[in-house]
Amino acid sequence: AQKVTQAQTEISVVEKEDVTLDCVYETRDTTYYLFWYKQPPSGELVFLIRRNSFDEQNEISGRYSWNFQKSTSSFNFTITASQVVDSAVYFCALSPAAYSGGSNYKLTFGKGTLLTVNP
Amino acid sequence: DAGVTQSPTHLIKTRGQHVTLRCSPISGHKSVSWYQQVLGQGPQFIFQYYEKEERGRGNFPDRFSARQFPNYSSELNVNALLLGDSALYLCASSPSPVGSPLHFGNGTRLTVT
Repeated sequence: AQKVTQAQTEISVVEKEDVTLDCVYETRDTTYYLFWYKQPPSGELVFLIRRNSFDEQNEISGRYSWNFQKSTSSFNFTITASQVVDSAVYFCALSPAAYSGGSNYKLTFGKGTLLTVNP
Repeated sequence: DAGVTQSPTHLIKTRGQHVTLRCSPISGHKSVSWYQQVLGQGPQFIFQYYEKEERGRGNFPDRFSARQFPNYSSELNVNALLLGDSALYLCASSPSPVGSPLHFGNGTRLTVT
């Protein structure tokens, strides 16, 4: 069974602070994908990044960066110089990378981290 | 290009009633998935359809059913509604059933009284 744990339920920071959202996962699949999604108050889940289990390179996109460490089963997300518009719930998710029938292919989400960036 | 569209946006039903939620995927996307998100929790997988066939089903009772039409749009049906079915129902589409990032709609907020 797959499991995603986001231990931080809520984080509150002041604008321009850096913030890291933690994600730890469990899976028996040898190949898998990891994702981060953002859910603003409007409710729509916005895709941020997908990472293949074969690729452990860290990735940076503007103020966002992701640190994937297979040895610790972690896929952490850092926002540099946070802004008020970053306030949202952030979800880490996991899926197998191969389809083998049944309910095999699905995204397993963590419970999310509510990030509040105060001006 | 239009994103994933869901209708209705909000719905209030009474216990025991039936509800139908609708979803139109992004043009060119053949896979549609449904997720239930209870307040304060992450989305939970309900169904995945690809090329009009059910490809996956989550741990939900038989009161939940879905289908995909030839134009790849989809319906989620829930019978004999319970209070616990109150949630945000999210539809997501992707070009293929495996590996592609899911693109989500804004969801349908269902309240069962």
